[in-house]
Amino acid sequence: KNEVEQSPQNLTAQEGEFITINCSYSVGISALHWLQQHPGGGIVSLFMLSSGKKKHGRLIATINIQEKHSSLHITASHPRDSAVYICAVRSSYNTDKLIFGTGTRLQVFP
Amino acid sequence: NAGVTQTPKFQVLKTGQSMTLQCAQDMNHEYMSWYRQDPGMGLRLIHYSVGAGITDQGEVPNGYNVSRSTTEDFPLRLLSAAPSQTSVYFCASSYGDPGYNEQFFGPGTRLTVL
Repeated sequence: KNEVEQSPQNLTAQEGEFITINCSYSVGISALHWLQQHPGGGIVSLFMLSSGKKKHGRLIATINIQEKHSSLHITASHPRDSAVYICAVRSSYNTDKLIFGTGTRLQVFP
Repeated sequence: NAGVTQTPKFQVLKTGQSMTLQCAQDMNHEYMSWYRQDPGMGLRLIHYSVGAGITDQGEVPNGYNVSRSTTEDFPLRLLSAAPSQTSVYFCASSYGDPGYNEQFFGPGTRLTVL
């Protein structure tokens, strides 16, 4: 079993829909990251959080440390949100690296 | 600022050939990392550096060498390419520990080993 699991693997939506992408992890963590990988391959960091909730524009990230779960929400989705969204955690024990999920591929249609 | 740059964007090698993937950043970041991305798997750390002159192995270091002679540059060397090294390679940099800081990624190098 992977230490970081994302669901769903693939997601399609109509423009304007509310999107939720989930990330569950099995290790103790000190921080969690959400990243976005564009269709062209480029990767950008969206959020880093260790508790609670963060919001940037139409993106909201939440984390529940007790349940070992994080969600990324996109409100009023747009075709330009089409990308792969990647969750990564910094383990409390193995401090040498981030552990990455395999990503959720989102396609938003007009 | 150019951010993180990588060259080449695409490369095809034959088994046994060697090559160097270049990575440079102009943000004066101490931390730099090399990752590989394979289908169905998350990004995996190959090697990383916490500053000029300091490098360490990541999760999948075999078959790769790195050096960090300057803050700006962090080249990745494939010593003797193998088909298992066919992958997309990303270089990234951050001001501090990437576990606690935003990482900036290069555009990637798509490598095919025949």
